[in-house]
Amino acid sequence: GAGVSQSPSNKVTEKGKDVELRCDPISGHTALYWYRQSLGQGLEFLIYFQGNSAPDKSGLPSDRFSAERTGGSVSTLTIQRTQQEDSAVYLCASSLWSSSVTEAFFGQGTRLTVV
Amino acid sequence: GDSVTQMEGPVTLSEEAFLTINCTYTATGYPSLFWYVQYPGEGLQLLLKATKADDKGSNKGFEATYRKETTSFHLEKGSVQVSDSAVYFCALITNQAGTALIFGKGTTLSVSS
Repeated sequence: GAGVSQSPSNKVTEKGKDVELRCDPISGHTALYWYRQSLGQGLEFLIYFQGNSAPDKSGLPSDRFSAERTGGSVSTLTIQRTQQEDSAVYLCASSLWSSSVTEAFFGQGTRLTVV
Repeated sequence: GDSVTQMEGPVTLSEEAFLTINCTYTATGYPSLFWYVQYPGEGLQLLLKATKADDKGSNKGFEATYRKETTSFHLEKGSVQVSDSAVYFCALITNQAGTALIFGKGTTLSVSS
């Protein structure tokens, strides 16, 4: 597609429910990132996929969070047993990795509200 | 690990004032440095970048110079406009496959007329 697409744009869920957030990166981009943006907290790195390499999961805040990237394209971020502190905007970005670094392009984000 | 430190905000300026937002970094290797901007209600977008020491990135009147000796990448603009009101993020990525893009906490700029 023309840009990074995230869905849904807004999600309201009850505490304890599982949610899935989807990211469609720019076609051909080998690198994909997930970040969380909370009010006053800036951008918190969650997970990074690069090609066929094992993902860097070092930013996932707990084992309730997981992500996968199928076929090197679409990615899904899953939050199990959601808590109120999970409320935030979840941002996805992709980039074309090469020997010369290129910019990351961001989606519009999914605003998650846990009630 | 790699990290980025930005000056705390918010920064409040009058139109046509000079802007500096400080950014320093800690990184292994030789990172590439970026400034991203998030306008109200919009997604993050790249403002400028520099990939090696002494490079100057520039866009929309904003500039930042990659200073390896001080590990800094301060953002400057000579005359800000109300339309520059946004959140600005400094970021780095090391030139190694398998490393993620690391962001600072962001600095909110508010420009009044």
